[in-house]
Amino acid sequence: AQSVTQLGSHVSVSEGALVLLRCNYSSSVPPYLFWYVQYPNQGLQLLLKYTSAATLVKGINGFEAEFKKSETSFHLTKPSAHMSDAAEYFCAVSDQTGGFKTIFGAGTRLFVKA
Amino acid sequence: EPEVTQTPSHQVTQMGQEVILRCVPISNHLYFYWYRQILGQKVEFLVSFYNNEISEKSEIFDDQFSVERPDGSNFTLKIRSTKLEDSAMYFCASSERSGPYEQYFGPGTRLTVT
Repeated sequence: AQSVTQLGSHVSVSEGALVLLRCNYSSSVPPYLFWYVQYPNQGLQLLLKYTSAATLVKGINGFEAEFKKSETSFHLTKPSAHMSDAAEYFCAVSDQTGGFKTIFGAGTRLFVKA
Repeated sequence: EPEVTQTPSHQVTQMGQEVILRCVPISNHLYFYWYRQILGQKVEFLVSFYNNEISEKSEIFDDQFSVERPDGSNFTLKIRSTKLEDSAMYFCASSERSGPYEQYFGPGTRLTVT
């Protein structure tokens, strides 16, 4: 079975500081991984996706993620946090062993301090 | 840019009542999904639908739930007799093709069962 684990349910950074949100995956096949963002009272927006091409994936709003097979990780980063980045972030994997449903991590809430 | 839409945005219903949540997927998409997110918890898969039949369903998707594509544009989730524990945000998603590709999510319907 495929799964993702997000380390840290809450992360707090100062505006302008580095954002690092951690995600580790478990998969018996090469995974297809995603990061979604959910702003308060809104739906899920795709930030970026890894589909076995480049290991460094760039997404929207200045975010990027690096796929590291040796560490089974897909951490999300942004060099400089902005107040508008405050949201819930979900790491997810496509379930290739059963129907391609999306399997989500528990989420990490990002707080940005002024 | 095409998007998935959902109605209503918020539904309040009494326990035991039937509710129908509606979704309009992106027009050229063929694969449809429902997920739910209980407040403070992770997003969970309910069901996937393709070619007018269920492709996969989770253990959450019991006999109280049903899905339908009544016409060429709508995709509905019906809960026959709502329970308090059905209170959650329900997300519809669609994708263009089968495979480990991103799914496009709607803004969600918040269902409150009293």
